[in-house]
Amino acid sequence: EVQLVESGGGLVKPGGSLRLSCAASGFMFSSYSINWVRQAPGKGLEWVASISSTSSYIDYADSVKGRFTISRDNAKNSLYLQMNSLRAEDTAVYYCAREGGGELVHWGQGTLVTVSS
Amino acid sequence: DIVMTQSPLSLSVTPGQPASISCKSSQSLLYSDGKTYLDWYLQKPGQSPQLLIYEVSNRFSGVPDRFSGSGSGTDFTLKISRVEAEDVGVYYCMQTLQLSWTFGQGTKVEIK
Repeated sequence: EVQLVESGGGLVKPGGSLRLSCAASGFMFSSYSINWVRQAPGKGLEWVASISSTSSYIDYADSVKGRFTISRDNAKNSLYLQMNSLRAEDTAVYYCAREGGGELVHWGQGTLVTVSS
Repeated sequence: DIVMTQSPLSLSVTPGQPASISCKSSQSLLYSDGKTYLDWYLQKPGQSPQLLIYEVSNRFSGVPDRFSGSGSGTDFTLKISRVEAEDVGVYYCMQTLQLSWTFGQGTKVEIK
């Protein structure tokens, strides 16, 4: 069974940093592109970042470019999101999601990041 | 970025009746490989989103056949032939033609 388990969320002050992790199991992690998608409280879904299977291709939403860094460790079946210079508008549940042929086939349960003083 | 616009934003449906959600993109989602990169997701209350339909009309594994997707170019539709209580939640269309991928605003479906 495919499982994606996010962790690392919490309360952080504006301007602070946080590192999210996503632990994968039940599939060949190194063969798939993985994405981060977020959802602000009571709002819709927003794609955040994508990383290809070998980390050769990475892209970010304009709203996080220059502040967030996506990475992966295929030996550890893990995905990461380093978030710096956090703002109140980054407050959201962050989901990791595995691609199929482009669509997001499997999603984790999400981890909540709250940016507040 | 490609803008995705859904309508209506909310829908109240009697069980057993059909429902339809529209999604329009600001540019064609047809790629040179012949595929159209438009997907539909359902987020049930308190849950993570789940894939329903990919590439306009392909039902994901395990999705009931009362769900169907159609459309082309910039205009797309998700139809539920007979709504059931378990279908409540927020439905999102999403384009994966061009990074940054973008979602529609979501359509909240409730049962009357």
